[in-house]
Amino acid sequence: EAQVTQNPRYLITVTGKKLTVTCSQNMNHEYMSWYRQDPGLGLRQIYYSMNVEVTDKGDVPEGYKVSRKEKRNFPLILESPSPNQTSLYFCASRTGGGPQETQYFGPGTRLLVL
Amino acid sequence: GNSVTQMEGPVTLSEEAFLTINCTYTATGYPSLFWYVQYPGEGLQLLLKATKADDKGSNKGFEATYRKETTSFHLEKGSVQVSDSAVYFCALSRWSSASKIIFGSGTRLSIRP
Repeated sequence: EAQVTQNPRYLITVTGKKLTVTCSQNMNHEYMSWYRQDPGLGLRQIYYSMNVEVTDKGDVPEGYKVSRKEKRNFPLILESPSPNQTSLYFCASRTGGGPQETQYFGPGTRLLVL
Repeated sequence: GNSVTQMEGPVTLSEEAFLTINCTYTATGYPSLFWYVQYPGEGLQLLLKATKADDKGSNKGFEATYRKETTSFHLEKGSVQVSDSAVYFCALSRWSSASKIIFGSGTRLSIRP
């Protein structure tokens, strides 16, 4: 089954404690990205990757890091989480065909930073 | 810049009512337009899309027409069901280095039996 998986689904942590949210897709997609969803703001892109070892900032990259060492994986790293990073996070992937291509979303990771 | 504006919710309707959720966009060039749906506790999934002017996307009884003259992509359904209760996001994507999706703020829809 074609899917995007994220782990963990729920996470409670404290300010400053480094964490990683994993994302994996099994569709051989070139393009992957991370979004955060906040009430009244819709989804905003954090980082994206066009292919292995190619990443770039989205609209709200501050406080986040990513890496793309393998095509299927695109982890999101919070080196020193702060309460304003409490949010619902989604990983997404699509083929490299262009903006008309459908993006496939993971189930989401709900993060609470105390 | 590029942006999407959709009607604020929540929208509450009775079963079998007609649904319209308005969406307008601002973008240069010719973006692709999407409606995504988020059911409770789940991620987003594509509901329908249109990639050029006058295209009509349709799925599960929902439809939306890409209107370049009014920069709109309104979502409609003739007879809603309780199972349609969800949050609906209008979105656009266009050629750029990021090729990201730009989302509206979402509209929560609740259908009463």
